Amino acid sequence: QKEVEQNSGPLSVPEGAIASLNCTYSDRVSQSFFWYRQYSGKSPELIMSIYSNGDKEDGRFTAQLNKASQYVSLLIRDSQPSDSATYLCAVKGRSGGYNKLIFGAGTRLAVHP
Amino acid sequence: GAGVSQTPSNKVTEKGKYVELRCDPISGHTALYWYRQSLGQGPEFLIYFQGTGAADDSGLPNDRFFAVRPEGSVSTLKIQRTERGDSAVYLCASSLRGGDTEAFFGQGTRLTVV
Repeated sequence: QKEVEQNSGPLSVPEGAIASLNCTYSDRVSQSFFWYRQYSGKSPELIMSIYSNGDKEDGRFTAQLNKASQYVSLLIRDSQPSDSATYLCAVKGRSGGYNKLIFGAGTRLAVHP
Repeated sequence: GAGVSQTPSNKVTEKGKYVELRCDPISGHTALYWYRQSLGQGPEFLIYFQGTGAADDSGLPNDRFFAVRPEGSVSTLKIQRTERGDSAVYLCASSLRGGDTEAFFGQGTRLTVV
């Protein structure tokens, strides 16, 4: 079992719709969770961090965390073609003393006009 | 500096050669990470520094890979006897400290071993 799992996609949504990206993780005691956006040929860019159960909103982005289900998600409202990218879920777990960021393989999002 | 800076942006080397990749973290960030990313994959952890010391080097694939951070700022990733399988984008990230603080990435070094 991979430590962080994401559906590779592509997830295709029409412009203006809500895009929902999901991630599960294996280490039950993981403390910190992050979403990064990566455009093709570029490096990962931090979008959101979340540490507590529930929702955290920042502009069009909402991160959701459910530690009991070991599940974290990212919602993008009013999706734009510029949101088309790969979204990486990252988790800091027990391994490495909660210092090591472990990434999923990413979900490719395509927003079509 | 304003962000994490990595040099060179691209490096082409012949199989068997030695390479050094440099990372200059965000000023004041004590934690520094090296990752490697292959096409279609997420970044793969290599090593984590807290200050000058390598707090976790469990991701280094073998003893051809070594990294240093002698003054707690700039870090160099060193690869000896490069192999074609080492070709990847090498990413550096820094955070204010370890633990739950957010990590920010540089633009990466694309290494191609021919």
